[in-house]
Amino acid sequence: ELKVEQNPLFLSMQEGKNYTIYCNYSTTSDRLYWYRQDPGKSLESLFVLLSNGAVKQEGRLMASLDTKARLSTLHITAAVHDLSATYFCAVSGGTSYGKLTFGQGTILTVHP
Amino acid sequence: DAGVIQSPRHEVTEMGQEVTLRCKPISGHNSLFWYRQTMMRGLELLIYFNNNVPIDDSGMPEDRFSAKMPNASFSTLKIQPSEPRDSAVYFCASSPKTGTFTGGGTGELFFGEGSRLTVL
Repeated sequence: ELKVEQNPLFLSMQEGKNYTIYCNYSTTSDRLYWYRQDPGKSLESLFVLLSNGAVKQEGRLMASLDTKARLSTLHITAAVHDLSATYFCAVSGGTSYGKLTFGQGTILTVHP
Repeated sequence: DAGVIQSPRHEVTEMGQEVTLRCKPISGHNSLFWYRQTMMRGLELLIYFNNNVPIDDSGMPEDRFSAKMPNASFSTLKIQPSEPRDSAVYFCASSPKTGTFTGGGTGELFFGEGSRLTVL
């Protein structure tokens, strides 16, 4: 059974600081996804990582994938309040589209 | 371009009642997924369809749950009879590709706004 674990589960950051969210998964997969969810809202796709060594950046967020270590990271640079949300990583557990296993989510709060 | 549309957004019902949740995927998307989100269990895949055909329903909790996709633009998730433990947010998602990754594409899912179900 594929398991996906994120840490930390709760992250309280000051504006301007840097931090990293980690996502470990238990079986081989070349595809990893990061989503953002605001309270009471839908899941918004942030990044799709499709191969070992993939790195993608959007604004203050950068995601990377190491398939050998079964690890993805989401790095936050110079956090701002607007980044406050829950971040999920998800892994495709095989060859079929969309059959994603999600991590528990990391609740990020950025405060002044 | 319209995203995935779900209805109702909120539903409050009493135990034992039938609940039907509806989903319209993004036009042209071939795969549709139903996920459930709860505090205790997080996001769980319930069932998914490729080209309107159910492919994997192993995540459906029990026989009280059923899902249909009569055509490419509409799907329903039905709970009958409903129980308090069914209270959750139910998300529908669609993807532009079917089947396996060998056909190309990213496997990215596009989620609807969710249907929040409360069973009293």
